[in-house]
Amino acid sequence: DSGVTQTPKHLITATGQRVTLRCSPRSGDLSVYWYQQSLDQGLQFLIQYYNGEERAKGNILERFSAQQFPDLHSELNLSSLELGDSALYFCASSAGTGGLGAKNIQYFGAGTRLSVL
Amino acid sequence: AQKITQTQPGMFVQEKEAVTLDCTYDTSDQSYGLFWYKQPSSGEMIFLIYQGSYDEQNATEGRYSLNFQKARKSANLVISASQLGDSAMYFCAMREGAGGSYIPTFGRGTSLIVHP
Repeated sequence: DSGVTQTPKHLITATGQRVTLRCSPRSGDLSVYWYQQSLDQGLQFLIQYYNGEERAKGNILERFSAQQFPDLHSELNLSSLELGDSALYFCASSAGTGGLGAKNIQYFGAGTRLSVL
Repeated sequence: AQKITQTQPGMFVQEKEAVTLDCTYDTSDQSYGLFWYKQPSSGEMIFLIYQGSYDEQNATEGRYSLNFQKARKSANLVISASQLGDSAMYFCAMREGAGGSYIPTFGRGTSLIVHP
């Protein structure tokens, strides 16, 4: 068990809808990262937050947004969902700010499997 | 260009034998970090091992070791004494400090099957 908790484990919804994925980082970790894993794109980095502030941005669509709350949990909001958004969404956390070094090793949650029908 | 290349889509190994999973990377940074993760069929991503670009010794974690060859830009994962539970997808990843963003990049993965 990595200590990172993601809910829900599975989500089935329809095109055009909006969903929220939730992540609780490991105790003491200040950085939260979101990833999307699909068969055709592989594992893609979406966005990182550190202690409530956006730290780095990857291939995140404008329809997607995220935030990190004062208690350090994070939410990823996906709106106007399309069939192609069906994927496994991971949250990861690390102790550091997100640079290099062992303290920035990312520990992943079990993921949320999103199916858009 | 691909930053992380894993050329072996699938590998087979007999239980108790050693196996090497290949990973080459592309960066112009002097400072970077290399990671390996395991993803079993249940889906979670499990951290295995980390190597910093300035680390002189190859990283080891139990049965896992990272064969780091900086000049060749390779960071191969060696699993000794394979076990049936090692059957999974294995991902190589890199973080580099270009522009200070440290955005992680993952390879496409290698599927490892350990048979008795």
